[in-house]
Amino acid sequence: DAKTTQPPSMDCAEGRAANLPCNHSTISGNEYVYWYRQIHSQGPQYIIHGLKNNETNEMASLIITEDRKSSTLILPHATLRDTAVYYCIVPNAGGTSYGKLTFGQGTILTVHP
Amino acid sequence: NAGVMQNPRHLVRRRGQEARLRCSPMKGHSHVYWYRQLPEEGLKFMVYLQKENIIDESGMPKERFSAEFPKEGPSILRIQQVVRGDSAAYFCASSPRGIPWGNSPLHFGNGTRLTVT
Repeated sequence: DAKTTQPPSMDCAEGRAANLPCNHSTISGNEYVYWYRQIHSQGPQYIIHGLKNNETNEMASLIITEDRKSSTLILPHATLRDTAVYYCIVPNAGGTSYGKLTFGQGTILTVHP
Repeated sequence: NAGVMQNPRHLVRRRGQEARLRCSPMKGHSHVYWYRQLPEEGLKFMVYLQKENIIDESGMPKERFSAEFPKEGPSILRIQQVVRGDSAAYFCASSPRGIPWGNSPLHFGNGTRLTVT
């Protein structure tokens, strides 16, 4: 997988937007950016993914820079239940890397009341 | 639409026993992946299977671990002669097609927590 860099931790006030950055400067042209989160003791939860255009779904928005070297996951109105570890992953687009999502350390997001 | 189902949620085994972990993928998904999360560590890829085929087992320990995904029924991760170091959370994920196409997210189950005493 293309290497990603995320801050180890972030804080956010409940009701405010949480903006989680990710650097992926070695991304290739056909590789997607995926975001997952893991709430304590649960399985990883898929949030959103994108290639080059910004994406939005019911959970979050994904902003990808024009050069695709970084992205930001936006939780528009964070709640206490959004406290989790957030992973930015860029899986290799081919070869034998099928399914090998490489989970790094991620960003521990803590939402405060 | 039911998600990825794993059972049991918790499994306790004594050293030397066998552990069998089951995973039923989401409806319509024919690709299954197993990951392991050791205490206080990140998720590590173990094996990728399609129906009746092991595609990539590069993350599987060389001994005692095996996985299958038969034509009918759930995928099974089997650990023979368990040791204390096998204690971990084991997560299964599924997708309708392989990741190389890029536009196909994995969906994870809530895991089986194996404790070896």
